[in-house]
Amino acid sequence: DTAVSQTPKYLVTQMGNDKSIKCEQNLGHDTMYWYKQDSKKFLKIMFSYNNKELIINETVPNRFSPKSPDKAHLNLHINSLELGDSAVYFCASSQDLGQPYEQYFGPGTRLTVT
Amino acid sequence: LAKTTQPISMDSYEGQEVNITCSHNNIATNDYITWYQQFPSQGPRFIIQGYKTKVTNEVASLFIPADRKSSTLSLPRVSLSDTAVYYCLVVRRGGNKLTFGTGTQLKVEL
Repeated sequence: DTAVSQTPKYLVTQMGNDKSIKCEQNLGHDTMYWYKQDSKKFLKIMFSYNNKELIINETVPNRFSPKSPDKAHLNLHINSLELGDSAVYFCASSQDLGQPYEQYFGPGTRLTVT
Repeated sequence: LAKTTQPISMDSYEGQEVNITCSHNNIATNDYITWYQQFPSQGPRFIIQGYKTKVTNEVASLFIPADRKSSTLSLPRVSLSDTAVYYCLVVRRGGNKLTFGTGTQLKVEL
């Protein structure tokens, strides 16, 4: 049973397109996250939600919009894709906003924009 | 939030103890320190969490000095399977700020 799953695993698309990445967790956690890992392996938080409420909204372009239909899902929609959006995107979840601060990560979605 | 930096890479041999340091000079009093391990093509996996002094679990120890401006992940008796990238992650209490370290590639050889 996969704890945190993401679809698709690979996404290749052209500049200007709109795409979505889906994330689901079956751990019963309250908090979910989206991270971006660039080609140098740096990890950066993009968004976090707690019980469907936006908690962290880092400085990312408005083209990125998270959507949380329920506690178990946090999807990432990207409009007008650019070359610089190419990266691996990780979804994660944690029990809640308190301790322990252990996060469970999904397998990642490798996005390639051509 | 703390800006976190780590050595880019470290090499070790099987059976040795490895210490990986993370520098977080601007850490706040309500920040916690966590460490993650990442294998290629996988998401990071939680290793350990601490606030101050020393924490130990079944796989690692975490040492945090009194000023908390750095932390050291200690892996006892590493094996080939410990070859991975290790990240520190500084978490603000309440979870409204998160900053990953730059990551350290650990390579373990026979």
